[in-house]
Amino acid sequence: GNSVTQMEGPVTLSEEAFLTINCTYTATGYPSLFWYVQYPGEGLQLLLKATKADDKGSNKGFEATYRKETTSFHLEKGSVQVSDSAVYFCALGRSNTGNQFYFGTGTSLTVIP
Amino acid sequence: EPEVTQTPSHQVTQMGQEVILRCVPISNHLYFYWYRQILGQKVEFLVSFYNNEISEKSEIFDDQFSVERPDGSNFTLKIRSTKLEDSAMYFCASSEAQGGTDTQYFGPGTRLTVL
Repeated sequence: GNSVTQMEGPVTLSEEAFLTINCTYTATGYPSLFWYVQYPGEGLQLLLKATKADDKGSNKGFEATYRKETTSFHLEKGSVQVSDSAVYFCALGRSNTGNQFYFGTGTSLTVIP
Repeated sequence: EPEVTQTPSHQVTQMGQEVILRCVPISNHLYFYWYRQILGQKVEFLVSFYNNEISEKSEIFDDQFSVERPDGSNFTLKIRSTKLEDSAMYFCASSEAQGGTDTQYFGPGTRLTVL
């Protein structure tokens, strides 16, 4: 079936540190992959997405590359800021299995000055 | 920027009571969804809704659950007789187009606590 496995948190980093949050998926065919972010008190916001293998999604300094060979979609940022403190969710969508997204458990990130 | 809104932000109820969680999707979206997240677990799909009917539902979405779009703006999730295990964060989402590849826009969630 379809599933997402996401790096467990919480993660605490100092400002300007390098961030990686691992995400791997299980799916047949070619799913679309998403990273969502949830800031305190807000909804899940789309951070970036990739719809086919080798695509790189990017936004606000975050990047993730759709790697079919390793079934991964790891989130990276070269230099985190305090304002990046949030919960990050990896998700998978398949158009031929309906409308639902499959989510990971979420990874809480705290960036300290 | 248009956003999905949900009310209430936190709902506390007694086991066996009915609850209605409310959502206002983005106005030009046609597809609506409910997800939930039990503390420490994955965000799970419950149901999708299009053209005034359920288009897809998960095993979780049993007869205790129902959804409705009572007017042109609201989208509701009703749990008829709440159980302790219904305690979770419930997220509403909407999208312009169908399919698991289109971006779904989420609300801030309603935290449901069943005592």
